[in-house]
Amino acid sequence: DIQMTQSPASLSASLEEIVTITCQASQDIGNWLAWYQQKPGKSPQLLIHSATSLADGIPSRFSGSRSGTQYSLKISRLQVEDTGIYYCLQRYSNPPTFGGGTKLELK
Amino acid sequence: QVQLQQSGAELAKPGSSVKISCKASGYTFTSYDISWIKQTTGQGLEYIGYINTGSGGTYYNEKFKGKATLTVDKSSSTAFMQLSSLTPEDTAVYYCARWIPDYWGQGVMVTVSS
Repeated sequence: DIQMTQSPASLSASLEEIVTITCQASQDIGNWLAWYQQKPGKSPQLLIHSATSLADGIPSRFSGSRSGTQYSLKISRLQVEDTGIYYCLQRYSNPPTFGGGTKLELK
Repeated sequence: QVQLQQSGAELAKPGSSVKISCKASGYTFTSYDISWIKQTTGQGLEYIGYINTGSGGTYYNEKFKGKATLTVDKSSSTAFMQLSSLTPEDTAVYYCARWIPDYWGQGVMVTVSS
């Protein structure tokens, strides 16, 4: 199985700060990567698909990038509503695998 | 708008089975796979498998073979997942989700306890 190593596990940041979360894939997954935000008691919400494509209705302060087998989610200006847990997911090969999650809080 | 409406919470005894439903609306049901995903506090998010809603073809994560059975009823645009031989380790929230996944159901809490 492809391992997705997500970091950091938790993060505390200030309003308007730039935040970056990364996922390191254990092997090449091309652009078959998605990012999700999950709020307490809710289902995950798709933010980014195909490594860099913004999902419908997602604010443009969210962006995704790729460097080799390292993938990053950037929030350009952190807002109150951006708190939650963020997950990456690879769908390059079966089984699809998630990163361990990053808990993002406001400082 | 796309919606995936899942059935309600389940309380089951060890050794029994449960069948969870996921009713799709707002799109052509047979155009997208439906995935099933398990979420626990300890193990995070795990892919159980997915079903081709047009052909009924399935993929199962090796870890869930023999545990989960995925089916669809095209006439009602509903996907189902049956979990068998339940143990306390099956206690989790189970989600159905479409395609990437892009849309998710609200999740079903399954509690296995004697």
